Amino acid sequence: GAGVSQSPRYKVAKRGQDVALRCDPISGHVSLFWYQQALGQGPEFLTYFQNEAQLDKSGLPSDRFFAERPEGSVSTLKIQRTQQEDSAVYLCASSYKAGSVLSDTQYFGPGTRLTVL
Amino acid sequence: QQQVKQSPQSLIVQKGGISIINCAYENTAFDYFPWYQQFPGKGPALLIAIRPDVSEKKEGRFTISFNKSAKQFSLHIMDSQPGDSATYFCAASQGRKGGGFKTIFGAGTRLFVKA
Repeated sequence: GAGVSQSPRYKVAKRGQDVALRCDPISGHVSLFWYQQALGQGPEFLTYFQNEAQLDKSGLPSDRFFAERPEGSVSTLKIQRTQQEDSAVYLCASSYKAGSVLSDTQYFGPGTRLTVL
Repeated sequence: QQQVKQSPQSLIVQKGGISIINCAYENTAFDYFPWYQQFPGKGPALLIAIRPDVSEKKEGRFTISFNKSAKQFSLHIMDSQPGDSATYFCAASQGRKGGGFKTIFGAGTRLFVKA
C-alpha cells in the first residue's frame, strides 16, 4: 500500500477487556515498531520487529502487553485485561532497512486511539 | 542518558517569522536525528533529518542546525505559515549491531503561526 495503515482507528474498551490493534506496514519494509503516545507527549517505544523476529520488547510496560508479527508483515499489538492507564494512542511505524548499524527513516501510521473506561 | 530534551513546550509565531525549536541529548551513540511534524489525529511525518557528521541541513524553509560538541540540535522554520501550525518532535536514533535501531522522541513543541 501507499503507507502504513492501522485498525481500528478508535477503540473503546471496558476495564478488564482484551484488545487487539492491527498494523499493516509498507510493503517490503523489514523493520516494524510500536509506540505509545500519551496525550501531549512524544511517542514512547514499545517494541521492535525485524521481519518476524521480535528483537526488542524492552518498552512493553507490563506482561499484559504482547506483540506479534508471525509472517514478517502485518503485526498485532494485544493488550490483556486493559487498565485505565493504558488509554493512549498506539502508533505503528515501519522502516525499510535492517542489518545495518545506521538508523533509518520511520514511516508512521495514523495510530489507534484506545480509551479504557 | 536516553532522554531527548525539547524546548519550548509551545511557541506562537507571526506569519512570516522564524520558528526555532531546540533539542538536547546525552547519548553520544545516537547516529540519526530526525524531526517529525504531527497534525491532530495523524501519525508523525518525517520533516527533515540529519546525521552527526554534518552541522547543518536545509530543505526548503526547514533547516536543522547540529552542534555535536554541545550535543544540541535545532529546527528553524523560515517564513512560517499558518499551515505550519502543528506539533513538532525531535528525535534521536541509535543503530543496533544486530540490525534495526531504537528511537527516542522529545516531548514535542506545539507551534501556532498567527495569520
